[in-house]
Amino acid sequence: GIQVEQSPPDLILQEGANSTLRCNFSDSVNNLQWFHQNPWGQLINLFYIPSGTKQNGRLSATTVATERYSLLYISSSQTTDSGVYFCAVEENNTDKLIFGTGTRLQVFP
Amino acid sequence: DVKVTQSSRYLVKRTGEKVFLECVQDMDHENMFWYRQDPGLGLRLIYFSYDVKMKEKGDIPEGYSVSREKKERFSLILESASTNQTSMYLCASSPQQGRAFFGQGTRLTVV
Repeated sequence: GIQVEQSPPDLILQEGANSTLRCNFSDSVNNLQWFHQNPWGQLINLFYIPSGTKQNGRLSATTVATERYSLLYISSSQTTDSGVYFCAVEENNTDKLIFGTGTRLQVFP
Repeated sequence: DVKVTQSSRYLVKRTGEKVFLECVQDMDHENMFWYRQDPGLGLRLIYFSYDVKMKEKGDIPEGYSVSREKKERFSLILESASTNQTSMYLCASSPQQGRAFFGQGTRLTVV
């Protein structure tokens, strides 16, 4: 099956810093999504981004499907950005949604 | 707003019991998913369903079964609970080719 790897696995930032999270996948996909899991375990959908670039406030995401990767940019990070960030891909010709390994982000004041 | 509701936030069951985890979505989504999340292992897909009465195995289906009799409801069944099924269980729904939304999770402990 498709492999989805994220880097870095852990990231520690001071408030106000910028960061880039990466998601690599091993095969063609139908779509790609980014999620944030807050400290209470709730997963929030940040982006549905099969290709191109999208922005939502301080967050933006870019997917280059032909090169099998996606990037999530967090600018001017805040303590509320802490948690785990996952990317998930939908395998071609199926509806299977497969998650990456996650990046744990800690933002300190 | 899309709402995905899981029947319990916390659940404690005994080894050998039959356990039902229920998930209901209110947005007429075609797809529904069950994952389990364990420390260091991320989210692993147990089963998913792309239509009523249709189901597909995910990566770790052993020891689980599912039921989707109505479009809005997707049930995960542990036929005979074991301690290695202690985990966080997460349900999600999505339209075809659309954003997935998650429930709040059920933390199951099997003693």
